[in-house]
Amino acid sequence: EAQVTQNPRYLITVTGKKLTVTCSQNMNHEYMSWYRQDPGLGLRQIYYSMNVEVTDKGDVPEGYKVSRKEKRNFPLILESPSPNQTSLYFCASSYTDYTEAFFGQGTRLTVV
Amino acid sequence: SQQGEEDPQALSIQEGENATMNCSYKTSINNLQWYRQNSGRGLVHLILIRSNEREKHSGRLRVTLDTSKKSSSLLITASRAADTASYFCATKAGANSKLTFGKGITLSVRP
Repeated sequence: EAQVTQNPRYLITVTGKKLTVTCSQNMNHEYMSWYRQDPGLGLRQIYYSMNVEVTDKGDVPEGYKVSRKEKRNFPLILESPSPNQTSLYFCASSYTDYTEAFFGQGTRLTVV
Repeated sequence: SQQGEEDPQALSIQEGENATMNCSYKTSINNLQWYRQNSGRGLVHLILIRSNEREKHSGRLRVTLDTSKKSSSLLITASRAADTASYFCATKAGANSKLTFGKGITLSVRP
């Protein structure tokens, strides 16, 4: 089944404790991206990747890192999480950046 | 920055009625896409319409695009309670631009 898989689905952590949210797709998509969704603000892009080893900042990259060492994986790293990073996070992939995006089920992160 | 803006922000209709949602955008686009999100879950792609297309259908969904007015509409015919969700439009401009989402429309379909 074609899908984008994020883990974990739910995470509660403390300020400053490094964490990684994994994202994997099985559709051989070139383009992958991370979004955060906050009430009243909609979806905002954090980072995106056009292909392996090619990443770039989106609208709200501060406090986040990504890597794209393999085509299928695009982890989101929070080196020192802060409470303002409490949000619902989505990973998405698409064949190219012009085609429809497939979304993961989301990761609800709470930083206390 | 937000490109697509949906209207209305919330819509409540009776099962069986049609639901019309609108999206306006500001700059030229390559394509416009509509997505659905059930509460707290991932977005699901519904339809992609290219800038040289005026109308597309998929089952009970009909999407129109008017590039002269920089607007699109999503029509859901014969709505069902299962259509209750948030609906987002997203626009893709040219190369090196990102897919930009609106803030969404909350649709409630009453049984």
